[in-house]
Amino acid sequence: EPEVTQTPSHQVTQMGQEVILRCVPISNHLYFYWYRQILGQKVEFLVSFYNNEISEKSEIFDDQFSVERPDGSNFTLKIRSTKLEDSAMYFCASSRLAGVGYNEQFFGPGTRLTVL
Amino acid sequence: DAKTTQPPSMDCAEGRAANLPCNHSTISGNEYVYWYRQIHSQGPQYIIHGLKNNETNEMASLIITEDRKSSTLILPHATLRDTAVYYCIVRVAVRITGGGNKLTFGTGTQLKVEL
Repeated sequence: EPEVTQTPSHQVTQMGQEVILRCVPISNHLYFYWYRQILGQKVEFLVSFYNNEISEKSEIFDDQFSVERPDGSNFTLKIRSTKLEDSAMYFCASSRLAGVGYNEQFFGPGTRLTVL
Repeated sequence: DAKTTQPPSMDCAEGRAANLPCNHSTISGNEYVYWYRQIHSQGPQYIIHGLKNNETNEMASLIITEDRKSSTLILPHATLRDTAVYYCIVRVAVRITGGGNKLTFGTGTQLKVEL
């Protein structure tokens, strides 16, 4: 069964450093998402991406964050200058467009980001 | 998207049916009910969704009341591996452009399946 993959599984970085989290969505999916979950808290939406542009972003997704689909398979989340409060599990998700009706979002296993 | 209310926790004996309720009294006519679950720190997993008819798949059944103000997710024979946080999410059908497809997770119901 196809699945969303994410690398690395765990990233440790120093405050102020840039990090890039990588995701490979399911191959025939067209919508891509990033969510994050701070330890013990809710899963929070960050951004959605369709047709090579951001469809929607949350208040969390400020100028320090960016997303890119550099080729036909990868989808990346970049944090330019990490802060302690960016420490969280970051989940990538993707969905196909089924036309009018519904979509299911398939989530990856997550990247645990630890900012020291 | 409509707000949902779920009990914070439930217990279920292995092999028995787990019935997880969700209230969504402000749901509007074009909003679907989705259920996802998250097994300890893993990525959320889609379970099932519905609009107004009851739905069943290989994982679960979804019962939506006639007035659509509440629903119940049924895991017919719960196993230890079903221990997870279950999220009921109400949102409109997919939009092709312009956003609006995000999932808004609440705190969900922590289901503990025990021997």
